[in-house]
Amino acid sequence: QVQLQESGPGLVRPSETLSLTCTFSAASISGAYWSWIRQAPGKGLEWLGFIHFGGRTKSYNPSLQSRLTISIDTPKKQFSLQLKSVTAADTALYYCAKDFDGSGRILDTWGPGTLVTVSS
Amino acid sequence: DIQMTQSPSSLSASVGDRVTITCRASQSIASFLNWYQVKPGKAPQLLIYHSSTLQNEVLSRFSGSGSGTDFTLTINSLQPEDFATYYCQQSYSSPLTFAGGTKVEI
Repeated sequence: QVQLQESGPGLVRPSETLSLTCTFSAASISGAYWSWIRQAPGKGLEWLGFIHFGGRTKSYNPSLQSRLTISIDTPKKQFSLQLKSVTAADTALYYCAKDFDGSGRILDTWGPGTLVTVSS
Repeated sequence: DIQMTQSPSSLSASVGDRVTITCRASQSIASFLNWYQVKPGKAPQLLIYHSSTLQNEVLSRFSGSGSGTDFTLTINSLQPEDFATYYCQQSYSSPLTFAGGTKVEI
């Protein structure tokens, strides 16, 4: 059973870069896609993007593509999110997740989420 | 982007009730529709994928149906642990999009 855990600073100042890491425990991750999703206060879920376990295939939400980078460190069993030039609108609960069937589109394992507040 | 909408946005129900949540896509997504349960402080859980296939270990009181643009999630005999927020998500095309959620309250 794969488990995921998000980590990172809970407070980020406006205009700075938000960096989060997701650590996963899995015997085998071959073929998996790893996603980031967020939920702003009082809002629904927003998919940010994913990366394939090999690191070569990525897909980003066009609404964030210019500011977002997702990377993976397979030996460390971690993948990361960097979101540049944050504003208060980036305040949210950030989740990492793994896909179910190698499509990257059905998310069957999630972390509990980490709250990030953007404020000076 | 494919827009997803859910109704109602919230509902009140009692233990033992049957609850139905509706999800609509802005264009046909065939059966590429998934349902998640989200509880505060816990990892979201995939309940149903491909519109009607129950994920492993999800109890059979949950069921899903629909294709094209209109879908439903039904919870038969609501249990105390089912009080949560439910989201539908389309997996037809990128970017993946979720509806706004339905909060099921006592």
